[in-house]
Amino acid sequence: DAGITQSPRHKVTETGTPVTLRCHQTENHRYMYWYRQDPGHGLRLIHYSYGVKDTDKGEVSDGYSVSRSKTEDFLLTLESATSSQTSVYFCAINDPGESNYGYTFGSGTRLTVV
Amino acid sequence: GNSVTQMEGPVTLSEEAFLTINCTYTATGYPSLFWYVQYPGEGLQLLLKATKADDKGSNKGFEATYRKETTSFHLEKGSVQVSDSAVYFCALSDNDYKLSFGAGTTVTVRA
Repeated sequence: DAGITQSPRHKVTETGTPVTLRCHQTENHRYMYWYRQDPGHGLRLIHYSYGVKDTDKGEVSDGYSVSRSKTEDFLLTLESATSSQTSVYFCAINDPGESNYGYTFGSGTRLTVV
Repeated sequence: GNSVTQMEGPVTLSEEAFLTINCTYTATGYPSLFWYVQYPGEGLQLLLKATKADDKGSNKGFEATYRKETTSFHLEKGSVQVSDSAVYFCALSDNDYKLSFGAGTTVTVRA
């Protein structure tokens, strides 16, 4: 679905380096989210945004920061990557004002920290 | 807080078998309930949803009914196909506009 794209799709990085993942949407949705997917845990919310420059923490926010300087882009930064942050990261968008009230997910970024 | 519990997998079935994946939830308000599906190597796709008690969501032969009295949203399909092999996630969203997920159930359908 072209409405939401994530980049990069795959990344390998070394422990201790900073990493930034990008989520870009063309739907003009107000809410954007970053989740991580790990076996046995489903998807867990890292951070989310409810507008430009408006962000809040999710349940697993330690070691991550986010920024949203314009509606269409939501960046996730791992300040100093650790092996425990090896995961698949999904971005999602939502607009509660829409009648279908659905969350749309990107294709994911597979991050490996070595 | 909100939480979702779904049956553990993996689940292995033969084609044309009946599939049920149990999902129960805990929420402080009146949540909307969702089933998402993830095919191998792909992202999550919305399968079906229900926004209030007794609503039935349906799509691609799958159904789930929002049962407030039992706080459940079980997914069912009467006759599965090999192409239904995937990971299925139950999720809820409350007035906070955040999705909370269950752990996921891996379903494998054999020909």
